[in-house]
Amino acid sequence: DAMVIQNPRYQVTQFGKPVTLSCSQTLNHNVMYWYQQKSSQAPKLLFHYYDKDFNNEADTPDNFQSRRPNTSFCFLDIRSPGLGDAAMYLCATSSQRGRIYEQYFGPGTRLTVT
Amino acid sequence: AQSVTQPDIHITVSEGASLELRCNYSYGATPYLFWYVQSPGQGLQLLLKYFSGDTLVQGIKGFEAEFKRSQSSFNLRKPSVHWSDAAEYFCAVGVQAGTALIFGKGTTLSVSS
Repeated sequence: DAMVIQNPRYQVTQFGKPVTLSCSQTLNHNVMYWYQQKSSQAPKLLFHYYDKDFNNEADTPDNFQSRRPNTSFCFLDIRSPGLGDAAMYLCATSSQRGRIYEQYFGPGTRLTVT
Repeated sequence: AQSVTQPDIHITVSEGASLELRCNYSYGATPYLFWYVQSPGQGLQLLLKYFSGDTLVQGIKGFEAEFKRSQSSFNLRKPSVHWSDAAEYFCAVGVQAGTALIFGKGTTLSVSS
C-alpha cells in the first residue's frame, strides 16, 4: 500500500544534542510537510517542500532545518534541541500536480528531550 | 485570514448514542474541508473531505459531514458511536492544492459505556 513512513517512531535525545527525523513516501506526491504537534494541540506547520522549493513558516525557529534529497525522502534536523522541542513530529504529503488537496500523514515521531 | 473553530474542546458520548462535532470556518470563498481523526500516539487519518457537489459527504468508519455554506459550518456526525471512536478529531481547511492545511484546535471524544 502507498503510504507515508516515519522513522524512528520514538526518539530520545539529550538537551542540545542534534537529532534527525526521517520521512519517506511511496505516494509520489510532490509536496511534503513537517508539522510539530505538542500535547493537546493542533499540528503546527514548520515548513514544506513544493518539489525542491523549500518554504519556511515565518515563526519556525532557526533551530529547525529540513532537507529533501529526492521526491521520496524528507528529513527534519533539530540542531540543538531544547526541552520545549519535545513534541510529536508529523510528516505529511500532498500533490499539486494531481490536484490532491488532502494531506496524507505518517504515524509521527515522538521526540523526548532529556 | 482563514481560520477554523471547533467550539467543543471535549465531548463525552455514551456508546451507541449519536454524535455531532462542530466546525466553523472563516474564508472568503468555499474552501476545501476535511475531518481528520487522531488516536493517542498516532498520526492523523483522513475521515472525509468536501470539495464541491453534494453537501452531505460520507466518510470512513460510518462518519458523515454536512457542509452548510450559510452557516460556514462543516459538522461531523455519526449515528451510533463505538468505544473505538474515542480519539481526537480535527477539522481542517485547505484553500489550494499543495498548500498547508489550517487546523482547528481539535475536539477530544470520550465514549462511556
